[in-house]
Amino acid sequence: AQSVTQPDIHITVSEGASLELRCNYSYGATPYLFWYVQSPGQGLQLLLKYFSGDTLVQGIKGFEAEFKRSQSSFNLRKPSVHWSDAAEYFCAVGFSTSYGKLTFGQGTILTVHP
Amino acid sequence: DTEVTQTPKHLVMGMTNKKSLKCEQHMGHRAMYWYKQKAKKPPELMFVYSYEKLSINESVPSRFSPECPNSSLLNLHLHALQPEDSALYLCASSRRPEGTGDYEQYFGPGTRLTVT
Repeated sequence: AQSVTQPDIHITVSEGASLELRCNYSYGATPYLFWYVQSPGQGLQLLLKYFSGDTLVQGIKGFEAEFKRSQSSFNLRKPSVHWSDAAEYFCAVGFSTSYGKLTFGQGTILTVHP
Repeated sequence: DTEVTQTPKHLVMGMTNKKSLKCEQHMGHRAMYWYKQKAKKPPELMFVYSYEKLSINESVPSRFSPECPNSSLLNLHLHALQPEDSALYLCASSRRPEGTGDYEQYFGPGTRLTVT
């Protein structure tokens, strides 16, 4: 069965530290990959996406992610975290044949200490 | 502009009420989605509309009735809900439901629904 795994339920970092959030997927074909961020009680904001081509993708707010086919991973990174980055982060996967359906990971809650 | 708007922001309804949630986008997107999100969980897909036609219903109970009157508007009609239906209801849209570069979904802020 198709699945998306975010191994870390909760991550705490200090402001200014680097960040890496992990995402692994289990699918046969190359998927479309996304990272979304959600502040409490809000909708989801698209941070970045991967469809094909360059495996290192840049997103908004200084985030980047790298697609590694051999590891079935799409990890999100940021070199220096700001207090405003505290939120929940969701990795999501879709396919050209899934007719718009996205499968989300369980989410990682990021806490930023001053 | 990648804005999806949803009204109302908050809704409290009794189990015998009928209410509707509204979602609107003016990005020319031809796919629209309803999701349900419980606390501390990821969004769960409920319905997909593609070119104003219902293309996916994820076995949602009939007390939830979607409607897509035109390409910009998506409604979710609610009737005889249960307390366990209390959740954040999110609407999203994408340029199309398939195709590279058209696939990413943009979400609205959601409607916080409480069923009493």
